[in-house]
Amino acid sequence: QKEVEQNSGPLSVPEGAIASLNCTYSDRGSQSFFWYRQYSGKSPELIMSIYSNGDKEDGRFTAQLNKASQYVSLLIRDSQPSDSATYLCAVGDTGGFKTIFGAGTRLFVKA
Amino acid sequence: NAGVMQNPRHLVRRRGQEARLRCSPMKGHSHVYWYRQLPEEGLKFMVYLQKENIIDESGMPKERFSAEFPKEGPSILRIQQVVRGDSAAYFCASSPPYDRVGNSPLHFGNGTRLTVT
Repeated sequence: QKEVEQNSGPLSVPEGAIASLNCTYSDRGSQSFFWYRQYSGKSPELIMSIYSNGDKEDGRFTAQLNKASQYVSLLIRDSQPSDSATYLCAVGDTGGFKTIFGAGTRLFVKA
Repeated sequence: NAGVMQNPRHLVRRRGQEARLRCSPMKGHSHVYWYRQLPEEGLKFMVYLQKENIIDESGMPKERFSAEFPKEGPSILRIQQVVRGDSAAYFCASSPPYDRVGNSPLHFGNGTRLTVT
């Protein structure tokens, strides 16, 4: 059973701080990695995709991938209260074409 | 530029009735995925379809659930003889044809909230 593991949280950070979200996955052959944000009662929306080892930055967001350690992370700089949401780590399955999601980490940014 | 369209947004069914959930993918997208999300839980993969083909249904319950994506019209997720445990949010997502090694990002619809009474 291929799995994606996340700390369910909640993770609480003060406004302006860096939020660090982590994820591990079991499928060594995975090539595609994604972070989605989901507000309560809403649908997931893509924040970042990453396919190669290293860092990828987009505005206040940085995704980090280490395939050898089977580890993906998301850093949110200058966290804002509007960043409060559940963050879903997702990994492409090499056995087929589906994307497997972790259970999500709830983030609270305190004003 | 319409996104993924799902309907209805909310659906209430009594135990034993049938539920039909519809999904139209984004323009230019040929791959459709259905996911189920129980309260306070992550997204669970159910089925992946292309036009007129079920590619991967490994996440579908063996009984009562079926999905299709006909040549014309939306994808349909059908749940027969619903039970209370089927109450959940059902999300449809679409992606373009693959142009790289690995998966393309998914674009999600607003979901259908199914309540079984």
